[in-house]
Amino acid sequence: GNSVTQMEGPVTLSEEAFLTINCTYTATGYPSLFWYVQYPGEGLQLLLKATKADDKGSNKGFEATYRKETTSFHLEKGSVQVSDSAVYFCALSDLPGGGADGLTFGKGTHLIIQP
Amino acid sequence: NAGVTQTPKFRILKIGQSMTLQCAQDMNHNYMYWYRQDPGMGLKLIYYSVGAGITDKGEVPNGYNVSRSTTEDFPLRLELAAPSQTSVYFCASSLAGQETQYFGPGTRLLVL
Repeated sequence: GNSVTQMEGPVTLSEEAFLTINCTYTATGYPSLFWYVQYPGEGLQLLLKATKADDKGSNKGFEATYRKETTSFHLEKGSVQVSDSAVYFCALSDLPGGGADGLTFGKGTHLIIQP
Repeated sequence: NAGVTQTPKFRILKIGQSMTLQCAQDMNHNYMYWYRQDPGMGLKLIYYSVGAGITDKGEVPNGYNVSRSTTEDFPLRLELAAPSQTSVYFCASSLAGQETQYFGPGTRLLVL
């Protein structure tokens, strides 16, 4: 079956530090990959996505590159802000044209940015 | 647009009680989903629906029921609440053919 593995948290960084959150996956076929973010007290929001190998998703200064050879989709940001504090979920969908049976999520990584 | 809305935000149930978690979306999405999120865990799919009148089980359906009588609404029913159902429940929706899902703010359920 499909699975997503993320680095354990919490991850605590100082403001303006470089961020990497690792994500690796196991899937049949060629999945689409996603990063969702959950701010305190809110639902999940799509942060970025990539649908095929070597694609780079980007949004709000965050980036992730779909690496088929290493089955990875690591999230990076060059300079984090306090407002980036949240829980970040890596997820995949392995059905072309949309995952009618839902997404497979990692456990989430809690990111804490200190001023 | 309100997007995906869920009610209630928080509820405490006694063991054996029943309740319905409400979910509605105003984006005319075909697909709707129910997930649960346990502490320190990712989301697990409970049920999903690809359109009115069509529902199917996800990864963890036991103890739950759903119905989809309209495109907009997708309620989740707990018939006999158990402590193992203490969790945060998220409803989501998407367009057919689109992989991005849109999530509601969640319902926190505590079963004592």
